[in-house]
Amino acid sequence: GAGVSQSPSNKVTEKGKDVELRCDPISGHTALYWYRQSLGQGLEFLIYFQGNSAPDKSGLPSDRFSAERTGGSVSTLTIQRTQQEDSAVYLCASSLAATGANYGYTFGSGTRLTVV
Amino acid sequence: AQSVTQLDSQVPVFEEAPVELRCNYSSSVSVYLFWYVQYPNQGLQLLLKYLSGSTLVESINGFEAEFNKSQTSFHLRKPSVHISDTAEYFCAVSEVDNAGNMLTFGGGTRLMVKP
Repeated sequence: GAGVSQSPSNKVTEKGKDVELRCDPISGHTALYWYRQSLGQGLEFLIYFQGNSAPDKSGLPSDRFSAERTGGSVSTLTIQRTQQEDSAVYLCASSLAATGANYGYTFGSGTRLTVV
Repeated sequence: AQSVTQLDSQVPVFEEAPVELRCNYSSSVSVYLFWYVQYPNQGLQLLLKYLSGSTLVESINGFEAEFNKSQTSFHLRKPSVHISDTAEYFCAVSEVDNAGNMLTFGGGTRLMVKP
């Protein structure tokens, strides 16, 4: 596609429920990143996928968070047993492989998650 | 590991006034530097970047930033702002030797341009 697509754009869920957030990167971009933007905060790195390599999960805040990337394209971020502190905008970005820095990332519009 | 500090969380300014948004970074290795902008209800967009060469980089909408290695800074400036510049601005770095790796972002600065 022309840009990074994220769905849903908004999600309201009850505390304790599981949620899945989807990211469809730009075609041909082998690197994919998930970030979290909490109210009044900067962007917090969550996880990074690069081609077929093992993902860098160092930013995941707890074992309730997981992500997968199927076929080197679409990625799903799953949050289990959601808590109110999980409320945030979840941003996905993609970039060309080793040239990510040269071109910067292309961000999606994000999924606004609200846990009530 | 690297870190980015944006000292001002909010910067109010009148239209047509100059503005500077400050960014300082810390890193044990060489870095690339970026400014991203997030307009209300939109995603982040790359505004400008420093990779190498001239330390002064410019964007198409009149912003510029200067890389100062000795002061580890990459401040963003514009000589005359418009209402449409109202947005949140994020400074970010990535390691030169890990070009495909993650960006580290500052906490953001909300620029509020008043008529």
